[in-house]
Amino acid sequence: DAKTTQPNSMESNEEEPVHLPCNHSTISGTDYIHWYRQLPSQGPEYVIHGLTSNVNNRMASLAIAEDRKSSTLILHRATLRDAAVYYCIRYSGGGADGLTFGKGTHLIIQP
Amino acid sequence: NAGVTQTPKFQVLKTGQSMTLQCAQDMNHNSMYWYRQDPGMGLRLIYYSASEGTTDKGEVPNGYNVSRLNKREFSLRLESAAPSQTSVYFCASSRDRGGGVYEQYFGPGTRLTVT
Repeated sequence: DAKTTQPNSMESNEEEPVHLPCNHSTISGTDYIHWYRQLPSQGPEYVIHGLTSNVNNRMASLAIAEDRKSSTLILHRATLRDAAVYYCIRYSGGGADGLTFGKGTHLIIQP
Repeated sequence: NAGVTQTPKFQVLKTGQSMTLQCAQDMNHNSMYWYRQDPGMGLRLIYYSASEGTTDKGEVPNGYNVSRLNKREFSLRLESAAPSQTSVYFCASSRDRGGGVYEQYFGPGTRLTVT
């Protein structure tokens, strides 16, 4: 049970913004929202994470709903190198202490 | 700064053979993790080490052992390999457990086939 819901796949055009949605309606107050991506034949790569406020870094932005039941990863200007599987993960660092990966969203970028 | 490194990159074993997967990080992180990824699936946690000298079981620990050799290195051992252990193995590290505050950094993976 990955505890988050994401679309199986999304398609976007190069140089356009991409909005990747994630539903986490049962999130607890201590769960951070982490996003990772995995390019073909590579290990997962950290993208961004946040708790309540929107977050920006050099790779992406994370918009978190006020009730924290959903979030959106925003890639401002997609490139072909952004084609990957994107995982949205609730993570509190407790229990078995690992990230629980679901199936993620397969992002396809068209040139 | 190499980040997280893993050896070997590829390995083929026969059923019953043993091997050790090596992982090292140069980011001075306290916590380290071993995951496996089966085809078309997300990663599943095998073992983790919250800090040097401690190890704990994750979701799928059966058939594996681990050693946190020092702060940098965390190895995963298969004592008697089985075909069900055919998978891609990823090592990861994070600054600390931190209750979700800290992100994890992953190695490139070891692709293991057991025949």
